[in-house]
Amino acid sequence: GNSVTQMEGPVTLSEEAFLTINCTYTATGYPSLFWYVQYPGEGLQLLLKATKADDKGSNKGFEATYRKETTSFHLEKGSVQVSDSAVYFCALRSGGSNTGKLIFGQGTTLQVKP
Amino acid sequence: NAGVTQTPKFQVLKTGQSMTLQCAQDMNHNSMYWYRQDPGMGLRLIYYSASEGTTDKGEVPNGYNVSRLNKREFSLRLESAAPSQTSVYFCASSHLNEKLFFGSGTQLSVL
Repeated sequence: GNSVTQMEGPVTLSEEAFLTINCTYTATGYPSLFWYVQYPGEGLQLLLKATKADDKGSNKGFEATYRKETTSFHLEKGSVQVSDSAVYFCALRSGGSNTGKLIFGQGTTLQVKP
Repeated sequence: NAGVTQTPKFQVLKTGQSMTLQCAQDMNHNSMYWYRQDPGMGLRLIYYSASEGTTDKGEVPNGYNVSRLNKREFSLRLESAAPSQTSVYFCASSHLNEKLFFGSGTQLSVL
């Protein structure tokens, strides 16, 4: 079945450091891929998405490229801020699905220190 | 902008008690979802409703029932709570297969 695997956390960085959070997936067909972010005490919100191979999703300085050859969708940011401290979830939606049903990874906690 | 509203925010139950988690959205979305979030396991889909009047099982439906009362409301019921149901529960909604909007969650402890 479909699944998503993320790197173990927590990830602790200093402000202005470079961030990479790895995400790989297993899926049949051509899924859509997403990164959601959860700030403390809140629900998840969409950060970025990519719907086909080689697409790059970007938002708020974060980027991720849909790599079908390596089945990956790694999240990157060039210079993190304290306000980026949150839990990040990689997710996929099966190709051809007409609902918003998502399969989530286990989440990676990011802590950014000043 | 209320978005997705869940009640209650916190709840403590004893094993065997029942309760209903309420969820309402004001975005006129067709689809609604219930997820549970457990440490190290991400979010897992319990039930979803693609449209008013329809519900379907997700990945972990055992021990739960749902009701799509109308287009706005989607409730989750635990008939006989068990400690394994201690979790954070999130309701979400979407327009078809567009992005999900989440509520702020219900933290449930079953003793």
